[in-house]
Amino acid sequence: DARVTQTPRHKVTEMGQEVTMRCQPILGHNTVFWYRQTMMQGLELLAYFRNRAPLDDSGMPKDRFSAEMPDATLATLKIQPSEPRDSAVYFCASGFRAGTGGLGPEGYTFGSGTRLTVV
Amino acid sequence: QQQVKQSPQSLIVQKGGISIINCAYENTAFDYFPWYQQFPGKGPALLIAIRPDVSEKKEGRFTISFNKSAKQFSLHIMDSQPGDSATYFCAAPSNSGYALNFGKGTSLLVTP
Repeated sequence: DARVTQTPRHKVTEMGQEVTMRCQPILGHNTVFWYRQTMMQGLELLAYFRNRAPLDDSGMPKDRFSAEMPDATLATLKIQPSEPRDSAVYFCASGFRAGTGGLGPEGYTFGSGTRLTVV
Repeated sequence: QQQVKQSPQSLIVQKGGISIINCAYENTAFDYFPWYQQFPGKGPALLIAIRPDVSEKKEGRFTISFNKSAKQFSLHIMDSQPGDSATYFCAAPSNSGYALNFGKGTSLLVTP
C-alpha cells in the first residue's frame, strides 16, 4: 500500500526551540496538506500545496510557522520559535487532483502524524 | 473558512446496533463529501465518500445519506462491531475546492 510518511513520529522540545517536521507524500500525488489536530480544535488546516506551489497558508500563525515543498518528494513544516500552545499532532496528507477539480475516489491519504510536545 | 458541524460528539452503541452520525455544511460549489475513520495513534483514513449527484452510497455496512437541499449528510453503520470503535470525521470541500474542512469528530464506542 502506498503511504504518506511523516518524520519524526514524536518530538519533545523546549519552548523557543526550532522544530522541523517532514512529510514524504505518495508518489504521483500533486496536492499536499498540513493539518494540526488538538482535542479542542479538532483537525485544523494549516497550509496546502498544489504541484509544489503554496495555495493557502492562512491557517498558520505566520510569525512562527512556515511550510515549504522543496521538491515533489518532500514537504516541511517549521515552527520557530516553538511555544507550549503548539503542542498537538501534526498530520500531512496528500492526494491527486486533476485540473480545477476532480478529486479521485481515493481521496486524500493521511500520514501517521508527528506528535509534538513543547515544554 | 467553511464550517462543518458534526453530531453527536460521542456515541455508545451495542454490538449489532446501528450507529448514526450527522454532518451539516455551509455553501459549497464542490462535490465531494467524505467520512474518515481514525484509530488511536493513527492518521484519519478515508472510509467512504459521496458526490451529491446521488442521495445514498453504500459500501458494506457503511452508508452515506446525502440531502443536498438541507446541506446535510450522515453516516450509518449497520450491524456495528467492537472493531468499529474509533473517531469518525465528516468533511466538506473548502471554498477553494482543494482542501477539506473537517467536523470536530464523533467518538464511537461499540460495546460487546
